Amino acid sequence: GAVVSQHPSRVICKSGTSVKIECRSLDFQATTMFWYRQFPKKSLMLMATSNEGSKATYEQGVEKDKFLINHASLTLSTLTVTSAHPEDSSFYICSAPQAGGPPDTQYFGPGTRLTVL
Amino acid sequence: GESVGLHLPTLSVQEGDNSIINCAYSNSASDYFIWYKQESGKGPQFIIDIRSNMDKRQGQRVTVLLNKTVKHLSLQIAATQPGDSAVYFCAENNAGNMLTFGGGTRLMVKP
Repeated sequence: GAVVSQHPSRVICKSGTSVKIECRSLDFQATTMFWYRQFPKKSLMLMATSNEGSKATYEQGVEKDKFLINHASLTLSTLTVTSAHPEDSSFYICSAPQAGGPPDTQYFGPGTRLTVL
Repeated sequence: GESVGLHLPTLSVQEGDNSIINCAYSNSASDYFIWYKQESGKGPQFIIDIRSNMDKRQGQRVTVLLNKTVKHLSLQIAATQPGDSAVYFCAENNAGNMLTFGGGTRLMVKP
């Protein structure tokens, strides 16, 4: 099946720094990718929809200036957590539906664990 | 929606028994539902899906039941194995591939 990768899988950073997380569709093209955040023992919460060639759509309560999304190609979306703080520590997961593929089918990445000290 | 409290609901079953995990969804307009399995530190893994024009769908050792009247979804796992231990989430797709996840249930299988 289709594969989505994320890099890095784990990152630890100091408060105030910015962290970039990559989401790649390895063997298919994705015009749309989704970014989720998952706190410990909680469910996945959709943060934003990344659209290739246009601006991302953010869910209510998600600061677009803090969580910068760039979907520069049909296989890559990046999420940059700017000026990270300890409360941004979370598990970030991306997903992508395959362009032209079976409707409703999404492929999830393995997640990125962000720890802000 | 998001679970309330610090801990996920937990279902503990004996190896070999059947497991039933329940989920209530919120949007009556949702037309597609998916169950995901998530192991610690990993992304969600697709298990089985069902469309709103069906009330039951079977896979290998898993069955999903959909009751649209009460907006309830269940996942049945037959002959539960230790490898089934994980957190299970239901998700509803109501518009443009956007998924809304339920709160999750932790399944613990006792050997």
